Amino acid sequence: AQTVTQSQPEMSVQEAETVTLSCTYDTSENNYYLFWYKQPPSRQMILVIRQEAYKQQNATENRFSVNFQKAAKSFSLKISDSQLGDTAMYFCAFMKHEVTDKLIFGTGTRLQVFP
Amino acid sequence: EAQVTQNPRYLITVTGKKLTVTCSQNMNHEYMSWYRQDPGLGLRQIYYSMNVEVTDKGDVPEGYKVSRKEKRNFPLILESPSPNQTSLYFCASSWRPRAGELFFGEGSRLTVL
Repeated sequence: AQTVTQSQPEMSVQEAETVTLSCTYDTSENNYYLFWYKQPPSRQMILVIRQEAYKQQNATENRFSVNFQKAAKSFSLKISDSQLGDTAMYFCAFMKHEVTDKLIFGTGTRLQVFP
Repeated sequence: EAQVTQNPRYLITVTGKKLTVTCSQNMNHEYMSWYRQDPGLGLRQIYYSMNVEVTDKGDVPEGYKVSRKEKRNFPLILESPSPNQTSLYFCASSWRPRAGELFFGEGSRLTVL
């Protein structure tokens, strides 16, 4: 069975600085997807970034980028130029390729951005 | 506006009193699912549906039922709620060509006394 581990329950960063959230996963699959979802205080889950395992290039979305290390089964999220609106719970998630859209979530990292 | 709508957003009920949490999406998505979120456990899938009249169990289906009679609706039914079903519930839908990109509802906070 697949598992996703987020070892940092809480993190904080000052506005405009860079922060990296860690995620590791365990799977025997070769083709899969990885995601970072953001859950602000409003509770709405929002997709931040998506990575397909067969792609070697790391995904980027504006200030958000990932460091995908397939051999190490590591998928960290880097947030550059942190903004107050980035304050949220961040969940790493795994999905098998072309299965049922079932996401396996980590336990989350609560990020606080300070002015 | 594309959205997934859940109701109620908040509910306090008592053990054994049947309740239904509704979920509706306006994006013509085939795939819909329910998750529950608990502190320290992240989100876990309860049930999912690949299309109308096609539903299947997720990781934590005990104590829940679902139905998918129409494409847009996917209600979650708790026939006899118990305190261990106190949780934050999310409905989600997706469009298969962009696998895994789930659109989530705003969540339903359920408390069972």
